[in-house]
Amino acid sequence: GEDVEQSLFLSVREGDSSVINCTYTDSSSTYLYWYKQEPGAGLQLLTYIFSNMDMKQDQRLTVLLNKKDKHLSLRIADTQTGDSAIYFCAETPGVRATNKLIFGTGTLLAVQP
Amino acid sequence: NAGVMQNPRHLVRRRGQEARLRCSPMKGHSHVYWYRQLPEEGLKFMVYLQKENIIDESGMPKERFSAEFPKEGPSILRIQQVVRGDSAAYFCASSPTQRRGTDTQYFGPGTRLTVL
Repeated sequence: GEDVEQSLFLSVREGDSSVINCTYTDSSSTYLYWYKQEPGAGLQLLTYIFSNMDMKQDQRLTVLLNKKDKHLSLRIADTQTGDSAIYFCAETPGVRATNKLIFGTGTLLAVQP
Repeated sequence: NAGVMQNPRHLVRRRGQEARLRCSPMKGHSHVYWYRQLPEEGLKFMVYLQKENIIDESGMPKERFSAEFPKEGPSILRIQQVVRGDSAAYFCASSPTQRRGTDTQYFGPGTRLTVL
């Protein structure tokens, strides 16, 4: 089945690291994504990882994938107040499926100054 | 290169009226996706279209909702006889191909539909 779950809320202090977690159920997922949504805005693609990778780093962002446990995480180093937003993980399910994205419920990241 | 354009940004309709939401994909993109975000929920896939073709409409409600992507002009999501439960943000995304990963979907700012 297709189901993606995230914790609802995370609060961190400015300068700390943030870790946002996501679990998914479709073991045939090929790509997994992280999107950021600021209030009243659309979704901004942050990064993605192919399912044969364990880790991907892009500046302050580190994505870790544990395919065995179907667990994905996004680490934001040196979190800033501008990082406050809702973060969605998403997957493209199955090899033969169309390119639709299945989104998690979103994690609201609140960064305290 | 302008991003994905959606209009209107905000739309208010009374119950029973029709809502038409427009999406212009990024230049060079021929694949369009529509998603719906209900209040305090994640985005749910509705429909995937290429020019003049509906490829996957597995997320579309069976009644009142339709989508098109004509050869010329924007993609249109049409909701007939709107009800209060249709109140949501509707997002359009586009990609240049259907390859995953590198040809990811880029999202528009959304249309926020309010049904009174």
